[in-house]
Amino acid sequence: NAGVTQTPKFQVLKTGQSMTLQCAQDMNHNSMYWYRQDPGMGLRLIYYSASEGTTDKGEVPNGYNVSRLNKREFSLRLESAAPSQTSVYFCASSDTGGFTEAFFGQGTRLTVV
Amino acid sequence: GDSVTQMEGPVTLSEEAFLTINCTYTATGYPSLFWYVQYPGEGLQLLLKATKADDKGSNKGFEATYRKETTSFHLEKGSVQVSDSAVYFCALSGNDYKLSFGAGTTVTVRA
Repeated sequence: NAGVTQTPKFQVLKTGQSMTLQCAQDMNHNSMYWYRQDPGMGLRLIYYSASEGTTDKGEVPNGYNVSRLNKREFSLRLESAAPSQTSVYFCASSDTGGFTEAFFGQGTRLTVV
Repeated sequence: GDSVTQMEGPVTLSEEAFLTINCTYTATGYPSLFWYVQYPGEGLQLLLKATKADDKGSNKGFEATYRKETTSFHLEKGSVQVSDSAVYFCALSGNDYKLSFGAGTTVTVRA
């Protein structure tokens, strides 16, 4: 059982480039999340999708967009990457909006130079 | 909005020592509370949870009790092992379906 799959695992971008981080879950979960993890900052919520067809901003949405393509997939797009977006990005999913266990992907380490 | 504040780290302990990591929260309503653990190079995984006041979550020798009167969910383990070295995150989920995390506490256990 794959769980939550994120691609790519590593990426280096130049300032101003764009890219999309992909996330897919095979557990038929309703809710999906994107977080960034920075030293000393813990996990900060970028965007979340409580259910298919809905998306909402989290704590740090500026510079990002998301698409809940279907129930399985939730992508995160950086339109014009900045060095401040250098981070480790995690996708997660849960069955009932976080009230039950959330499952995490392995993370994407993004460096913007 | 809802938020979680947890004890700053890092924490370094000897094997078989007692571990406590403090966590307090601010939330409207009655959130669910969680502790997640992150081992080096991996994503987060659920350690334990509690969904209502006075519930005690437990797993792998770790325990935490949902205290509504003090808005706390402190993590404890009576005798740590080297394999418990990891980053521990307190988290809450409220009525808005957001899952919010604390800053994380790095724990290192020495043999």
